Amino acid sequence: DIQMTQSPSSLSASVGDRVTITCRASQSIISYLNWYQQKPGKAPKLLIYGASSLESGVPSRFSGSGSATDFTLTISNLQPEDFATYHCQQSNTNPYTFGQGTKVEIK
Amino acid sequence: QVQLQQWGAGLLKPSETLSLTCAVYGGSFSGYHWSWIRQPPGKGLEWIGEINHSGDTNYNPSLKSRVTISLDTSKNQFSLNLSSVTAADTAVYYCARGFNYITMRFDPWGQGTLVTVSS
Repeated sequence: DIQMTQSPSSLSASVGDRVTITCRASQSIISYLNWYQQKPGKAPKLLIYGASSLESGVPSRFSGSGSATDFTLTISNLQPEDFATYHCQQSNTNPYTFGQGTKVEIK
Repeated sequence: QVQLQQWGAGLLKPSETLSLTCAVYGGSFSGYHWSWIRQPPGKGLEWIGEINHSGDTNYNPSLKSRVTISLDTSKNQFSLNLSSVTAADTAVYYCARGFNYITMRFDPWGQGTLVTVSS
């Protein structure tokens, strides 16, 4: 299985900050990488697919980049509703696997 | 707008079979992969398996021997059975629609069902 490792596991930030979360794959996944946002007690919500394509309806302050093994999710101008846990997911190889999650907390 | 609603037993004893069903409202079964994903308390997400509109299945090898995913197109529902459960199967279980264009991604998701395995 392809292992997905996110860093950091958690971070504290303030409203208005720029936040960067990294996801590293144990082997190349080309650009088959998606990002999800999950709030407590809720199901994950798709934010970014194909490493950098913004899902319809998702604010443009969310962006994704990267290829092969190293990927980044950036949230510019962090808003109160963005405090949540973020997960990456690869779909290059079955079984599809997820990172362990990165929790973004209020500083 | 497609919505997924899921249900099933939330408390099981070791060795019992977990059974969950997910209903799809407002959309077609065709062209999508219907998946089950779980999340143990405080941990990351684990993909369990999927079924397409033709009934073809694909399972996570780590669970394959115990998993069955089935489809009822007449009711727009799909189901998960996981046999011989143990405490390690305690998790929130989600159903989700998989869309394989550019990349396989999951959206939307069901509301989740907490399944606890305890004697």
